[in-house]
Amino acid sequence: GESVGLHLPTLSVQEGDNSIINCAYSNSASDYFIWYKQESGKGPQFIIDIRSNMDKRQGQRVTVLLNKTVKHLSLQIAATQPGDSAVYFCASTYGQNFVFGPGTRLSVLP
Amino acid sequence: GAGVSQSPSNKVTEKGKDVELRCDPISGHTALYWYRQRLGQGLEFLIYFQGNSAPDKSGLPSDRFSAERTGESVSTLTIQRTQQEDSAVYLCASSLGGRSRETQYFGPGTRLLVL
Repeated sequence: GESVGLHLPTLSVQEGDNSIINCAYSNSASDYFIWYKQESGKGPQFIIDIRSNMDKRQGQRVTVLLNKTVKHLSLQIAATQPGDSAVYFCASTYGQNFVFGPGTRLSVLP
Repeated sequence: GAGVSQSPSNKVTEKGKDVELRCDPISGHTALYWYRQRLGQGLEFLIYFQGNSAPDKSGLPSDRFSAERTGESVSTLTIQRTQQEDSAVYLCASSLGGRSRETQYFGPGTRLLVL
């Protein structure tokens, strides 16, 4: 079945450094991927998405990379700021299903 | 509205009582979803609506859980005879059209605590 998981449950980075959050998915037919950010006490917030016909997509300070060969997705945050501290979820759709990973908690150190 | 709204934001209830959670999706969004999020865990899919029909109820954990939706607007999730294991954040999301390949926009959630 479809599963989406994250390599690390927690990640601590120094303010100003770049952050990389990883995600693995199991279904090679997955064709659409989303990253969400969830701050404490709030609902998940859309960050960026990517479709399977792309390898890379950039937003404001964020980049998503998709490696279909190894079924791996990553979220890169440039110049990490204290406001980036949150839990980050990857999600994958396949057909009518939508599956979320357990999340990675990003802590930004001063 | 500007975003997905949910009410109440917090709910404390006693074991065995029924609770009703409300979701107002983004105006014009035909698809609506309910998820459950236990403390420190990921999102658990509960049910999906397209319009006022629910083609996928596969995630509802038991027959104590039910949901309905009025047209393409408000949805309510009802939990009957609540149990302590039902304590979680219940998140609602909506998307513009069909289920796949559509970004889901989430509400702030309802934090349910069953004593």
